[in-house]
Amino acid sequence: GQQLNQSPQSMFIQEGEDVSMNCTSSSIFNTWLWYKQDPGEGPVLLIALYKAGELTSNGRLTAQFGITRKDSFLNISASIPSDVGIYFCAGRGLSGSARQLTFGSGTQLTVLP
Amino acid sequence: DAGVIQSPRHEVTEMGQEVTLRCKPISGHNSLFWYRQTMMRGLELLIYFNNNVPIDDSGMPEDRFSAKMPNASFSTLKIQPSEPRDSAVYFCASGGYRADTQYFGPGTRLTVL
Repeated sequence: GQQLNQSPQSMFIQEGEDVSMNCTSSSIFNTWLWYKQDPGEGPVLLIALYKAGELTSNGRLTAQFGITRKDSFLNISASIPSDVGIYFCAGRGLSGSARQLTFGSGTQLTVLP
Repeated sequence: DAGVIQSPRHEVTEMGQEVTLRCKPISGHNSLFWYRQTMMRGLELLIYFNNNVPIDDSGMPEDRFSAKMPNASFSTLKIQPSEPRDSAVYFCASGGYRADTQYFGPGTRLTVL
Protein backbone atom coordinates (compact mmCIF):
# COMPACT_ATOMS: atom_id res chain seq x y z
CA GLY A 1 0.00 0.00 0.00
CA GLN A 2 0.88 3.65 -0.10
CA GLN A 3 3.21 4.87 2.63
CA LEU A 4 4.16 8.35 3.74
CA ASN A 5 7.35 9.21 5.58
CA GLN A 6 7.06 12.48 7.46
CA SER A 7 10.06 14.17 9.03
CA PRO A 8 11.16 15.27 11.44
CA GLN A 9 9.10 13.52 14.10
CA SER A 10 9.55 16.45 16.47
CA MET A 11 11.09 19.91 16.47
CA PHE A 12 12.03 22.36 19.20
CA ILE A 13 12.60 25.88 17.90
CA GLN A 14 12.91 29.40 19.23
CA GLU A 15 10.11 31.86 18.67
CA GLY A 16 10.79 33.81 15.49
CA GLU A 17 12.67 31.01 13.74
CA ASP A 18 11.57 29.46 10.46
CA VAL A 19 10.43 25.83 10.34
CA SER A 20 10.55 23.27 7.57
CA MET A 21 9.05 19.79 7.48
CA ASN A 22 8.48 17.35 4.66
CA CYS A 23 6.76 14.21 3.52
CA THR A 24 7.86 11.64 0.99
CA SER A 25 5.79 8.94 -0.60
CA SER A 26 6.65 5.53 -1.96
CA SER A 27 4.36 6.21 -4.91
CA ILE A 28 2.98 9.10 -6.93
CA PHE A 29 0.35 11.29 -5.28
CA ASN A 30 -2.27 13.44 -6.98
CA THR A 31 -3.09 15.56 -3.96
CA TRP A 32 -1.13 16.74 -0.96
CA LEU A 33 -2.75 18.22 2.11
CA TRP A 34 -1.27 19.70 5.27
CA TYR A 35 -3.18 19.66 8.55
CA LYS A 36 -2.48 21.00 12.04
CA GLN A 37 -3.84 19.35 15.16
CA ASP A 38 -4.05 21.13 18.50
CA PRO A 39 -4.34 19.10 21.72
CA GLY A 40 -7.85 17.76 22.20
CA GLU A 41 -9.00 18.87 18.77
CA GLY A 42 -9.35 17.41 15.31
CA PRO A 43 -6.91 18.12 12.48
CA VAL A 44 -7.55 21.42 10.76
CA LEU A 45 -6.79 21.80 7.07
CA LEU A 46 -4.03 24.35 6.42
CA ILE A 47 -3.15 24.01 2.74
CA ALA A 48 -4.27 21.82 -0.16
CA LEU A 49 -2.10 21.19 -3.24
CA TYR A 50 -3.40 19.66 -6.45
CA LYS A 51 -0.69 20.11 -9.11
CA ALA A 52 2.96 19.06 -9.31
CA GLY A 53 5.19 22.05 -8.67
CA GLU A 54 2.36 24.05 -7.08
CA LEU A 55 3.47 26.47 -4.37
CA THR A 56 0.73 27.76 -2.09
CA SER A 57 0.82 30.14 0.86
CA ASN A 58 -1.54 30.66 3.75
CA GLY A 59 -0.25 33.55 5.85
CA ARG A 60 3.13 32.54 7.28
CA LEU A 61 2.71 29.01 5.91
CA THR A 62 3.97 27.90 2.53
CA ALA A 63 3.64 24.42 1.06
CA GLN A 64 4.84 22.90 -2.18
CA PHE A 65 3.81 19.89 -4.22
CA GLY A 66 7.05 18.26 -5.34
CA ILE A 67 7.78 17.99 -9.04
CA THR A 68 8.26 14.24 -8.79
CA ARG A 69 4.78 14.04 -7.17
CA LYS A 70 6.31 11.92 -4.44
CA ASP A 71 7.01 14.63 -1.91
CA SER A 72 5.76 17.82 -0.33
CA PHE A 73 7.11 20.27 2.19
CA LEU A 74 5.64 22.80 4.59
CA ASN A 75 7.46 25.91 5.75
CA ILE A 76 6.42 28.16 8.61
CA SER A 77 8.11 31.53 8.76
CA ALA A 78 8.71 33.60 11.90
CA SER A 79 7.21 31.03 14.26
CA ILE A 80 5.01 32.16 17.16
CA PRO A 81 3.83 30.29 20.27
CA SER A 82 0.44 29.42 18.76
CA ASP A 83 2.20 27.43 16.03
CA VAL A 84 2.69 24.67 18.61
CA GLY A 85 0.92 21.46 17.63
CA ILE A 86 1.18 18.40 15.47
CA TYR A 87 1.43 18.89 11.73
CA PHE A 88 0.27 16.10 9.44
CA CYS A 89 0.75 15.64 5.76
CA ALA A 90 -1.80 13.63 3.83
CA GLY A 91 -1.96 12.53 0.24
CA ARG A 92 -4.14 10.82 -2.26
CA GLY A 93 -2.44 8.41 -4.61
CA LEU A 94 -3.35 6.82 -7.90
CA SER A 95 -4.37 3.49 -6.44
CA GLY A 96 -7.23 2.81 -4.11
CA SER A 97 -10.37 4.78 -3.70
CA ALA A 98 -10.59 8.25 -5.19
CA ARG A 99 -11.45 9.65 -1.79
CA GLN A 100 -9.04 7.87 0.52
CA LEU A 101 -6.18 9.79 2.06
CA THR A 102 -2.94 8.41 3.46
CA PHE A 103 -1.65 10.30 6.48
CA GLY A 104 1.90 10.84 7.66
CA SER A 105 2.82 10.13 11.27
CA GLY A 106 3.00 13.81 12.17
CA THR A 107 5.60 16.38 13.22
CA GLN A 108 5.31 17.63 16.80
CA LEU A 109 6.32 21.30 16.86
CA THR A 110 7.32 23.05 20.06
CA VAL A 111 8.05 26.79 20.01
CA LEU A 112 10.19 28.04 22.87
CA PRO A 113 9.81 31.65 24.02
CA ASP B 1 -20.96 26.94 9.08
CA ALA B 2 -20.83 24.92 12.29
CA GLY B 3 -18.31 22.45 10.90
CA VAL B 4 -18.40 18.73 11.59
CA ILE B 5 -20.14 17.98 14.89
CA GLN B 6 -19.36 14.92 16.96
CA SER B 7 -20.87 13.63 20.16
CA PRO B 8 -20.05 12.79 22.80
CA ARG B 9 -16.66 14.49 23.15
CA HIS B 10 -15.62 12.04 25.85
CA GLU B 11 -16.89 8.55 26.62
CA VAL B 12 -15.77 6.29 29.42
CA THR B 13 -17.25 2.82 29.52
CA GLU B 14 -16.57 -0.63 30.81
CA MET B 15 -15.41 -3.55 28.76
CA GLY B 16 -18.32 -5.36 27.15
CA GLN B 17 -20.59 -2.35 26.94
CA GLU B 18 -21.99 -0.99 23.69
CA VAL B 19 -20.66 2.38 22.55
CA THR B 20 -22.27 4.64 19.95
CA LEU B 21 -20.45 7.62 18.50
CA ARG B 22 -22.34 10.23 16.48
CA CYS B 23 -21.43 12.57 13.68
CA LYS B 24 -23.14 15.38 11.80
CA PRO B 25 -21.20 16.29 8.64
CA ILE B 26 -20.95 19.73 7.10
CA SER B 27 -24.15 20.54 5.25
CA GLY B 28 -23.80 19.88 1.54
CA HIS B 29 -20.88 17.49 1.88
CA ASN B 30 -21.55 14.09 0.32
CA SER B 31 -18.60 12.10 1.71
CA LEU B 32 -18.17 11.06 5.32
CA PHE B 33 -15.19 9.34 6.91
CA TRP B 34 -14.60 7.68 10.28
CA TYR B 35 -11.01 7.60 11.58
CA ARG B 36 -9.35 6.26 14.70
CA GLN B 37 -6.25 7.91 16.17
CA THR B 38 -3.83 6.27 18.60
CA MET B 39 -0.26 7.02 19.56
CA MET B 40 0.92 3.70 18.19
CA ARG B 41 -0.89 3.65 14.84
CA GLY B 42 -1.61 7.31 14.12
CA LEU B 43 -4.68 8.14 12.03
CA GLU B 44 -6.41 5.10 10.56
CA LEU B 45 -9.36 5.24 8.18
CA LEU B 46 -12.08 2.90 9.38
CA ILE B 47 -14.84 3.42 6.83
CA TYR B 48 -16.14 6.01 4.44
CA PHE B 49 -19.50 6.78 2.88
CA ASN B 50 -20.37 8.54 -0.33
CA ASN B 51 -23.94 9.77 -0.73
CA ASN B 52 -24.85 7.80 2.41
CA VAL B 53 -23.60 4.51 0.94
CA PRO B 54 -20.64 2.69 2.54
CA ILE B 55 -17.90 2.55 -0.08
CA ASP B 56 -14.97 1.02 1.73
CA ASP B 57 -15.07 -0.57 5.18
CA SER B 58 -11.81 -2.47 4.88
CA GLY B 59 -10.37 -0.46 7.76
CA MET B 60 -13.01 -1.60 10.24
CA PRO B 61 -11.07 -3.67 12.78
CA GLU B 62 -13.54 -6.50 13.22
CA ASP B 63 -17.18 -7.41 13.43
CA ARG B 64 -17.57 -5.59 16.72
CA PHE B 65 -17.47 -2.35 14.76
CA SER B 66 -20.35 -1.16 12.60
CA ALA B 67 -21.22 2.16 10.98
CA LYS B 68 -24.39 3.56 9.50
CA MET B 69 -25.41 6.67 7.64
CA PRO B 70 -29.21 6.75 7.51
CA ASN B 71 -29.29 10.20 5.90
CA ALA B 72 -27.01 12.92 4.61
CA SER B 73 -26.79 14.70 7.94
CA PHE B 74 -26.11 11.89 10.39
CA SER B 75 -23.80 8.93 10.91
CA THR B 76 -23.05 6.57 13.77
CA LEU B 77 -20.12 4.33 14.63
CA LYS B 78 -21.01 1.54 17.03
CA ILE B 79 -18.74 -0.78 18.97
CA GLN B 80 -20.39 -3.81 20.54
CA PRO B 81 -18.95 -5.23 22.73
CA SER B 82 -16.24 -2.73 23.51
CA GLU B 83 -12.75 -3.80 24.62
CA PRO B 84 -9.91 -1.86 26.29
CA ARG B 85 -7.89 -1.92 23.06
CA ASP B 86 -10.64 0.14 21.44
CA SER B 87 -9.58 3.12 23.56
CA ALA B 88 -8.63 5.90 21.14
CA VAL B 89 -9.82 9.17 19.70
CA TYR B 90 -12.40 8.65 16.97
CA PHE B 91 -12.75 11.35 14.34
CA CYS B 92 -15.44 11.96 11.80
CA ALA B 93 -14.57 13.97 8.70
CA SER B 94 -16.64 15.13 5.75
CA GLY B 95 -15.76 16.15 2.23
CA GLY B 96 -17.53 17.94 -0.57
CA TYR B 97 -16.92 17.96 -4.30
CA ARG B 98 -13.19 17.87 -3.71
CA ALA B 99 -13.62 14.96 -1.32
CA ASP B 100 -9.90 14.54 -1.06
CA THR B 101 -10.08 17.74 1.00
CA GLN B 102 -11.56 16.49 4.25
CA TYR B 103 -12.73 18.52 7.23
CA PHE B 104 -12.45 16.91 10.63
CA GLY B 105 -14.70 17.10 13.67
CA PRO B 106 -13.32 17.62 17.18
CA GLY B 107 -13.26 13.89 17.90
CA THR B 108 -14.61 11.58 20.59
CA ARG B 109 -12.10 10.38 23.17
CA LEU B 110 -13.13 6.83 24.08
CA THR B 111 -11.80 5.07 27.15
CA VAL B 112 -12.76 1.45 27.71
CA LEU B 113 -11.92 0.23 31.20
